[in-house]
Amino acid sequence: EVQLVESGGGLVQPGRSLKLSCAASGFTFSNYYMAWVRQAPKKGLEWVATISTSGSRTYYPDSVKGRFTISRDNAKSSLYLQMNSLKSEDTATYYCARHGVTTKNFDYWGQGVMVTVSS
Amino acid sequence: DVVMTQTPVSLSVSLGGQVSISCRSSQSLVHNNGNTYLSWYLQKPGQSPQLLIYKVSNRFSGISDRFSGSGSGTDFTLKISRVEPDDLGVYYCGQGTQYPLTFGSGTKLEIK
Repeated sequence: EVQLVESGGGLVQPGRSLKLSCAASGFTFSNYYMAWVRQAPKKGLEWVATISTSGSRTYYPDSVKGRFTISRDNAKSSLYLQMNSLKSEDTATYYCARHGVTTKNFDYWGQGVMVTVSS
Repeated sequence: DVVMTQTPVSLSVSLGGQVSISCRSSQSLVHNNGNTYLSWYLQKPGQSPQLLIYKVSNRFSGISDRFSGSGSGTDFTLKISRVEPDDLGVYYCGQGTQYPLTFGSGTKLEIK
């Protein structure tokens, strides 16, 4: 059974940093692209980042480019999101998702972790 | 960026009925490889999103045949037949054809 478990969320002040983690199990982690998708309170879904199988390629929307860094450790089956220079508009639930490289969709999602950016 | 527009914003249906949700993209979702990467997701209340349909019309593993997807180019539809109580939630379309990946704003399905 595919499982994705996020951790590392919490309350952080504007301008500070936070690192999210996602522990994957139930599939061969190194064979899949992975992604982060977020959802602001009462809002829709917003894609945040994607990383290739080896980690050599990363993709971001303009809203987080230069502030967020996605990375992975295939030996630990773990995905990370380093978030710097956080803004109030980054407040959201962050989901770790498996990103199908051939189907180009998010086929499995974690339960999500809340990040609140506030002073 | 590809803008995904979903309609309606919300709809109410009786159990056993049928509904259609529309999703339109601001650009063609046909990839250079000829595939069209349009997916549908359902987010049930208090839960994470789940994949229903991928590449326009392919049902994901374990998804009921009551869910069907159709369309091409920039115009897509999700149909739900014989609606059940467990179908309530917010439905999102999403495109995987080009970065940045984008989603529609969602359609809330309520049961009458």
